[in-house]
Amino acid sequence: AQSVTQLDSQVPVFEEAPVELRCNYSSSVSVYLFWYVQYPNQGLQLLLKYLSGSTLVKGINGFEAEFNKSQTSFHLRKPSVHISDTAEYFCAVSDSTLYGNKLVFGAGTILRVKS
Amino acid sequence: EAEVAQSPRYKITEKSQAVAFWCDPISGHATLYWYRQILGQGPELLVQFQDESVVDDSQLPKDRFSAERLKGVDSTLKIQPAELGDSAMYLCASTLAGGAEQFFGPGTRLTVL
Repeated sequence: AQSVTQLDSQVPVFEEAPVELRCNYSSSVSVYLFWYVQYPNQGLQLLLKYLSGSTLVKGINGFEAEFNKSQTSFHLRKPSVHISDTAEYFCAVSDSTLYGNKLVFGAGTILRVKS
Repeated sequence: EAEVAQSPRYKITEKSQAVAFWCDPISGHATLYWYRQILGQGPELLVQFQDESVVDDSQLPKDRFSAERLKGVDSTLKIQPAELGDSAMYLCASTLAGGAEQFFGPGTRLTVL
């Protein structure tokens, strides 16, 4: 079974600074990878996804992630953060089953953007 | 834009009471998932439906939890009796059959007192 490790539980950063949220997954076979964002008491919103093709994936709100198969990583980056980016971010990997794809999530990283 | 609907958004109950949550997936989405997210953790799959059939309920505590999707559209998740440890966010998601991207609803925040 797949597993996901988000290496930082909290990341504080100043507004307009760059940020990287780290994610490693367990399997080296073909996978689908996702980053979701969650604001307090809300559901999950998809930021970006890697299904195949280019290893650099661009998402919404200026976020991007790079799929690195050899290091089994899928780190999320943004060159300049805003106060509104304060939220919890979840990395997820799909675990293929006979009936479709089950998502396995990391424990989450809380991004705190300070002014 | 089509969305996954969930209700209620918030539910407070006392332990040993019964609670039920409702989910209406995006139209045409054959696969429906219920996840539980305990505070400070990532979501964990409770049950997966393909149309009206349960295809994965390996992590569902079947002594107190039940889930149904009778007509293969909307779904209900029930807890009876609720325990203090059931306090969590319950998220519903849906996808096209075989699809990779799951679309999540706003969740139901359950507090058990």
